[in-house]
Amino acid sequence: AQKVTQAQTEISVVEKEDVTLDCVYETRDTTYYLFWYKQPPSGELVFLIRRNSFDEQNEISGRYSWNFQKSTSSFNFTITASQVVDSAVYFCALSVPGNTGKLIFGQGTTLQVKP
Amino acid sequence: EPEVTQTPSHQVTQMGQEVILRCVPISNHLYFYWYRQILGQKVEFLVSFYNNEISEKSEIFDDQFSVERPDGSNFTLKIRSTKLEDSAMYFCASSLLLTGLNTEAFFGQGTRLTVV
Repeated sequence: AQKVTQAQTEISVVEKEDVTLDCVYETRDTTYYLFWYKQPPSGELVFLIRRNSFDEQNEISGRYSWNFQKSTSSFNFTITASQVVDSAVYFCALSVPGNTGKLIFGQGTTLQVKP
Repeated sequence: EPEVTQTPSHQVTQMGQEVILRCVPISNHLYFYWYRQILGQKVEFLVSFYNNEISEKSEIFDDQFSVERPDGSNFTLKIRSTKLEDSAMYFCASSLLLTGLNTEAFFGQGTRLTVV
């Protein structure tokens, strides 16, 4: 069975601090896909990134970066120089081929960035 | 930019009543999903739909739930006899291909269902 664990329930930082959101996943499949979604206070789910299991290269997009490590089954998300607009719930999710494309979400991490 | 649209944004219904939640997926997408998020909890998969039939459903998706793509553009979720525990945010999503196979699922803004 597949599982995603986001151990950090809530994180609070002051603006301009760097913050890392942890994600640990479990699957026996050798091919799988990992995602991060952002849920701002308005409630919608916004796609941030997709990664497949064969691509361990870290990715940077502006202030966002992702560290994928198969050895520790982790796909962590770092926000550099956080801003108040980054305040949201962040979900890590897993998908495996052959299961009709459903996403298995973690519990989410609530990030509060204070001015 | 194409987006998934859900209506209504908020629905209040009495226990035992039927509700229909509506979604317009992105037009060239082929796979459709419903997810549920009880307040403060994680997002849970309900059902996936492809080629006019259910391809997978979760344990939550019991006989009280049904989905339909009535006219080639809308995708609906029906709850026949609502219970208090059905109160949640319901998200519709669509993807061009199976999620993860070179594409991602795009989500609507959600319908908040409140059963009283």
